Amino acid sequence: QVQLVESGGGLVKPGGSLRLSCAASGFTFSDYYMTWIRQAPERGLEWVSYIDSVGATIYYADSVRGRFTISRDNAKNSLYLQMSSLRAEDTAIYYCARVSSSWQGDWFDPWGQGTLVTVSS
Amino acid sequence: SSELTQDPAVSVALGQTVRITCQGDSLRSYYASWYQQKPGQAPLLVIYGKNIRPSGIPDRFSGSSSGNTASLTITGAQAEDEADYYCHSRDSSGDHYVFGTGTKVTVL
Repeated sequence: QVQLVESGGGLVKPGGSLRLSCAASGFTFSDYYMTWIRQAPERGLEWVSYIDSVGATIYYADSVRGRFTISRDNAKNSLYLQMSSLRAEDTAIYYCARVSSSWQGDWFDPWGQGTLVTVSS
Repeated sequence: SSELTQDPAVSVALGQTVRITCQGDSLRSYYASWYQQKPGQAPLLVIYGKNIRPSGIPDRFSGSSSGNTASLTITGAQAEDEADYYCHSRDSSGDHYVFGTGTKVTVL
């Protein structure tokens, strides 16, 4: 079945770095755009970044541009998020999701289970 | 980027109908998708496009759109529909995505 599994979360000090991974299975990974979304504790969903199927088109939310880098390895069916200069406000559960698009718009399905990133001294 | 605004909370009696709205300028140009999130779980897609339900989503969930407002309707709400619901779309630039502020649905 279609599945996304995130890993790499943990506790990091302010100013530190962390790399998240998202392993995809059950579909042709190289056919799809992918995206990262985060959710701070007791807060709503915030879109973070997306990448096209070959890594040529990338966009970031203003809140992470210049600090986070999204990438993918289609040979390994994996999506990544390199996070640097981390701040307390980056503390959140980070989800990866598959992006689908048509004249009916864009939608994210499925989502991974999420990985928790805590930025604290 | 633009914003998508939702009512923070709504309640509905068991078996009754509830409508959740999402307002934003970008909705004049782009369809919204809707996600259900229960405590401790990842969001789940329930509606996308004009009014499309993914496989496995009950037909009591439906979507609609008019002008700058998208709506998710639950017709005959069940106890298991109690959750947070988020709308999502592109922003006005078309390059970024944006989520609504979220609506907590309580089934009484």
